[in-house]
Amino acid sequence: GAGVSQSPRYKVAKRGQDVALRCDPISGHVSLFWYQQALGQGPEFLTYFQNEAQLDKSGLPSDRFFAERPEGSVSTLKIQRTQQEDSAVYLCASRVDRDTEQFFGPGTRLTVL
Amino acid sequence: GESVGLHLPTLSVQEGDNSIINCAYSNSASDYFIWYKQESGKGPQFIIDIRSNMDKRQGQRVTVLLNKTVKHLSLQIAATQPGDSAVYFCAEKMGGNEKLTFGTGTRLTIIP
Repeated sequence: GAGVSQSPRYKVAKRGQDVALRCDPISGHVSLFWYQQALGQGPEFLTYFQNEAQLDKSGLPSDRFFAERPEGSVSTLKIQRTQQEDSAVYLCASRVDRDTEQFFGPGTRLTVL
Repeated sequence: GESVGLHLPTLSVQEGDNSIINCAYSNSASDYFIWYKQESGKGPQFIIDIRSNMDKRQGQRVTVLLNKTVKHLSLQIAATQPGDSAVYFCAEKMGGNEKLTFGTGTRLTIIP
């Protein structure tokens, strides 16, 4: 079956623009995670959903970052008024349920000019 | 704050040899550890995991060792192949907390 997919794969934004990044988890996966990966660094946790409920958003760096998963499947990470420091790869991961393996998507590389 | 770290940022190994990638963690409350492999342009790929009630776990060509006394985790890859070239991350999770905390990664290069 298909893995986690993310779109777009690459996004270039001018500073101040809003962006929306999409994640399609593996069908049936209850949990969904967003991570931010800066160049040469490990992924850093942003937020976590269990079905449509956002249970942990402690990693979101500012109120410019917003994530949603309204129907418990597809998720969107929105960044408002992008800044250069937002440039990174944004990774989405999903898993069947608690205490199971997280499967990662290929990521969206965001470049803010 | 507490975080997962790695001893070596790069490692070069001759094809066919065994490789060992090390990781130190500082959060004694962590009870689940995972090794991921990340190739260029791709997301992290699960390799193997281990829970804190174990000290060793083996997979296909890979072994993870956990030493809770010194808070050390290692990944052993046997008979390395060119396809093993990638960045390897260890990650930890605390019970009751769903997020993974990743280290900065070790780049493994296999020399033909």
